[in-house]
Amino acid sequence: EADIYQTPRYLVIGTGKKITLECSQTMGHDKMYWYQQDPGMELHLIHYSYGVNSTEKGDLSSESTVSRIRTEHFPLTLESARPSHTSQYLCASSALAGNSYEQYFGPGTRLTVT
Amino acid sequence: AQSVAQPEDQVNVAEGNPLTVKCTYSVSGNPYLFWYVQYPNRGLQFLLKYITGDNLVKGSYGFEAEFNKSQTSFHLKKPSALVSDSALYFCAVRDGSNYQLIWGAGTKLIIKP
Repeated sequence: EADIYQTPRYLVIGTGKKITLECSQTMGHDKMYWYQQDPGMELHLIHYSYGVNSTEKGDLSSESTVSRIRTEHFPLTLESARPSHTSQYLCASSALAGNSYEQYFGPGTRLTVT
Repeated sequence: AQSVAQPEDQVNVAEGNPLTVKCTYSVSGNPYLFWYVQYPNRGLQFLLKYITGDNLVKGSYGFEAEFNKSQTSFHLKKPSALVSDSALYFCAVRDGSNYQLIWGAGTKLIIKP
C-alpha cells in the first residue's frame, strides 16, 4: 500500500455519537475518495474531492459529510452514528500518472456502531 | 453507461495450477482498466492496469491480464497459483471523461494446497 493513512483502524462506538474518520496522504494527490464496503462485498463511492474546497457526494447515499481544507487531509464525519453505519470505510487518492488515474488505498477503518 | 462485470463470485484453484479471474466491461470511449487485490482486513492494492499498447499486461506478484477489445474483457491470469494468492480481486474501469473508477463486485479467489 502507498503513503495513505487512516485512523483509527478499528472503532466501536455507541449509537448517537459523533465520529470523525481521518484520512491523510503524503503523495500530493489532488483527488481523494471515500468508499464504504461491507466485508467481502463491493465498494460503494460515498464522497470524493478533486481538490481543496471541492467535495461531492458519490453514488451511494450517505449521512456522512467530508471536508477538504488541505490537499493531504480528507476527513469523514458522522454526526450521529447508527448501527446501519457499521461497515468498513476505505479512503483512496489518485493523480495523473502516465495518462491514468489509478487509485491508492489506505488500510481502512472498520466501524461498529452498537 | 459504464459498467464492469465479474461473473464469478468465487474461483477455486489448486495450488500450482493456472488461474483466471474474469472481468468484462462496457464503456463509451477508450477503456482504462485496472485490477486490485484485497487481503483480509486490508485496503485494496493496485495490481496492474491497461491504458494502451500491448494487450498482455504484466503486474505485481506474477499476475498478468489480457485485454480483448472485441470481447470487451480484461481477465486476470497467473500461470501457477500460490496459496498466498487467496484474496478478493476487483476489476475496475475508467472512461476518459472523469476521474472515478467503476468497480466490479469482486471475485473471491481460493487457492487450495
